Amino acid sequence: SAVISQKPSRDICQRGTSLTIQCQVDSQVTMMFWYRQQPGQSLTLIATANQGSEATYESGFVIDKFPISRPNLTFSTLTVSNMSPEDSSIYLCSVGVSFEGEQYFGPGTRLTVT
Amino acid sequence: DQQVKQNSPSLSVQEGRISILNCDYTNSMFDYFLWYKKYPAEGPTFLISISSIKDKNEDGRFTVFLNKSAKHLSLHIVPSQPGDSAVYFCAARNTGNQFYFGTGTSLTVIP
Repeated sequence: SAVISQKPSRDICQRGTSLTIQCQVDSQVTMMFWYRQQPGQSLTLIATANQGSEATYESGFVIDKFPISRPNLTFSTLTVSNMSPEDSSIYLCSVGVSFEGEQYFGPGTRLTVT
Repeated sequence: DQQVKQNSPSLSVQEGRISILNCDYTNSMFDYFLWYKKYPAEGPTFLISISSIKDKNEDGRFTVFLNKSAKHLSLHIVPSQPGDSAVYFCAARNTGNQFYFGTGTSLTVIP
């Protein structure tokens, strides 16, 4: 198993500002992911955070808006840039722990943009 | 385009009875299917998975059934307990290791 922590747990931000979310894992993991869950919606994969190289973004998500860092195998950050109210969401990081796709999720960061 | 769908946003079941949560998908290239449970203010927790080459996987009170011809999977919980009350997400993985989640079904088990 893996224990994942995220900081901050929640934040209220003004339009046009940026917020960096941190994800810390208690063990080294290869696969780390960032998801978004908008109100009433499913979890949507933003990107796969790759250690030592640029993140792999899903369709509809771009690096300028959601820059990701992965400096080592236990830590990653997601920045939500130039925020608008449409970015209000829960952001979750997860780590892949099995070939079958089992993931452990962090508790999430609830972001509200005013 | 929603590739994984959970058409029932909520479900209520009496304690001790069976809970059946359903999920439909559109992509025949998915190779693994997973169910997660989520409590408020927590991240989703893995419950059970099934490979696309199987039609059933059982783990204690939880059984997942896969019907590939119908592109349908279901999670059976029996007997249901009040602690099972949570939001349940189904998810599917394609061969490119991309995951797609449903919108969730909120299960309430009534004591």
